[in-house]
Amino acid sequence: GENVEQHPSTLSVQEGDSAVIKCTYSDSASNYFPWYKQELGKRPQLIIDIRSNVGEKKDQRIAVTLNKTAKHFSLHITETQPEDSAVYFCAASPLQAGTALIFGKGTTLSVSS
Amino acid sequence: ETGVTQTPRHLVMGMTNKKSLKCEQHLGHNAMYWYKQSAKKPLELMFVYSLEERVENNSVPSRFSPECPNSSHLFLHLHTLQPEDSALYLCASSHQVQGRSYEQYFGPGTRLTVT
Repeated sequence: GENVEQHPSTLSVQEGDSAVIKCTYSDSASNYFPWYKQELGKRPQLIIDIRSNVGEKKDQRIAVTLNKTAKHFSLHITETQPEDSAVYFCAASPLQAGTALIFGKGTTLSVSS
Repeated sequence: ETGVTQTPRHLVMGMTNKKSLKCEQHLGHNAMYWYKQSAKKPLELMFVYSLEERVENNSVPSRFSPECPNSSHLFLHLHTLQPEDSALYLCASSHQVQGRSYEQYFGPGTRLTVT
């Protein structure tokens, strides 16, 4: 089945710096790659997603890139702010699992001011 | 109430108890999911229901038994749990079209402690 690896597990940056989180997936048939943000004590919420027919997607300070050949995708956050501090999860949706998502283990991002 | 709701929010049960977790979605979605979130394995997929049929059972022990009576409600029946089953149980829902995934909306979770 699908396996999603996520790195790093923790990331500390200064306010205003950029942060990059990387994920790799194993199932070449996976076609949907969302990123979720989970603040302490709250539910995961989608921040951006990308489909396999697109190489890059951007939404204000957040961008996601996808390399289908290498089977990896990355989240880029620019001009980080303290409110960006949270756990970020990447996920992949393998076709054989219908619409299920297989998540990475998460990255704890800390932005210090 | 809008979105995805879960009850109870907190549950403490002994290993011999039987309890049920409830999830309700008010988004008109046709797929629902159970995830287990623990420190060791964050966001581990347990069950998937699409159009009220179970389409995924991710090697979950039989002491967890899901039920989806309609597209808006999802239950997780628990019996003879083990202390390692203590975790946050998250329900999610999404729109589902064959072969195409969409955003999953999560409930607030039920914090389960097995004593």
